Amino acid sequence: KQEVTQIPAALSVPEGENLVLNCSFTDSAIYNLQWFRQDPGKGLTSLLLIQSSQREQTSGRLNASLDKSSGRSTLYIAASQPGDSATYLCAVFYNQGGKLIFGQGTELSVKP
Amino acid sequence: NAGVTQTPKFRILKIGQSMTLQCAQDMNHNYMYWYRQDPGMGLKLIYYSVGAGITDKGEVPNGYNVSRSTTEDFPLRLELAAPSQTSVYFCAIGQGVSPLHFGNGTRLTVT
Repeated sequence: KQEVTQIPAALSVPEGENLVLNCSFTDSAIYNLQWFRQDPGKGLTSLLLIQSSQREQTSGRLNASLDKSSGRSTLYIAASQPGDSATYLCAVFYNQGGKLIFGQGTELSVKP
Repeated sequence: NAGVTQTPKFRILKIGQSMTLQCAQDMNHNYMYWYRQDPGMGLKLIYYSVGAGITDKGEVPNGYNVSRSTTEDFPLRLELAAPSQTSVYFCAIGQGVSPLHFGNGTRLTVT
């Protein structure tokens, strides 16, 4: 069964800290992996997309890595700010048939 | 260019009623998805389509039906609504190496 798991479920950090969010997947036959941000009561916003042939992608203070062989991806947020407070979700797009599976998300709170 | 348009934004159904959630796109993307999100949870895939005329079940398809007669539209049908279908429903579109685009969601309550 294709499953995507995110750890931790919730994380609270003081402003300025660097942090890492984790995403693991059971089936390594992926096409790409995406990280999304969701603010309370809102839709999802795409942050980073990593193709299966890539090892990492960067956008500003965000860096996402992908290790297909171990079934893991991490989202690194540098110098966290209160405005980063949101739920972060990863989603895996599988080669077989176009299915896109989400993890359950990590709720991040950055305290001033 | 609206991207992904979902209607309605909100709906209250009585148990046993039926309804159709609409999803329309103007980006000519092949892949379309329906997800549900329960409070405090991630997104669960209900149905998806890789092109007009093709649909497949996702993780939680029971109680739902879909059709994809055109590239632009991907309606989700709820037959015999149940309280367990109370959720926020998101439609998304994708195209190969491009990031997903999401609609703003439909908040459905079944009482």
